[in-house]
Amino acid sequence: NAGVTQTPKFQVLKTGQSMTLQCAQDMNHEYMSWYRQDPGMGLRLIHYSVGAGITDQGEVPNGYNVSRSTTEDFPLRLLSAAPSQTSVYFCASSKTENTEAFFGQGTRLTVV
Amino acid sequence: QKEVEQDPGPLSVPEGAIVSLNCTYSNSAFQYFMWYRQYSRKGPELLMYTYSSGNKEDGRFTAQVDKSSKYISLFIRDSQPSDSATYLCAMSEGLSGGSYIPTFGRGTSLIVHP
Repeated sequence: NAGVTQTPKFQVLKTGQSMTLQCAQDMNHEYMSWYRQDPGMGLRLIHYSVGAGITDQGEVPNGYNVSRSTTEDFPLRLLSAAPSQTSVYFCASSKTENTEAFFGQGTRLTVV
Repeated sequence: QKEVEQDPGPLSVPEGAIVSLNCTYSNSAFQYFMWYRQYSRKGPELLMYTYSSGNKEDGRFTAQVDKSSKYISLFIRDSQPSDSATYLCAMSEGLSGGSYIPTFGRGTSLIVHP
């Protein structure tokens, strides 16, 4: 079972570059979300979606865009990368908002 | 002050010890309480999920919620080296508060040495 798949696993960007972090799930989950994890900060919610075509901002949305055109995919776009966006990014999905969240393996992003 | 406080550790214990991991919180509207385990360079995975106050047991793991003190705990009995990981607490308000979006603690790093 694939579960939640994130690509790439590692990425190095230069300041000002843009890129898209991919997230796909094969469990037909309605709810998907993106978190960043920084040392000593825990998981912080960036954006989330309660279904195809519906997205909303989390705690730290600035500098990131999302869209949800299908149930399976929830890409995260960095518009103009900054060193402050160096982090580990996790995508998660759950059947509903109130059920178990399944996390991907993470994307380690470094912005130089 | 963060809504959820969790000591980052590391907490180092010998194999077989009873481990106690804790979180405190300030939002009295939290009703759903979760513990996630995260191995190094992996995504978090749900370990325990409880609603409101009380205890919940699953094998060697016991989750305890004391809403009056705004304090939650995870106990691990007969700890094993394979329990070495970071443990994150998380909590949410639920429908009454208008959101199930969880707030995470910083995580506690646990090391169980043979």
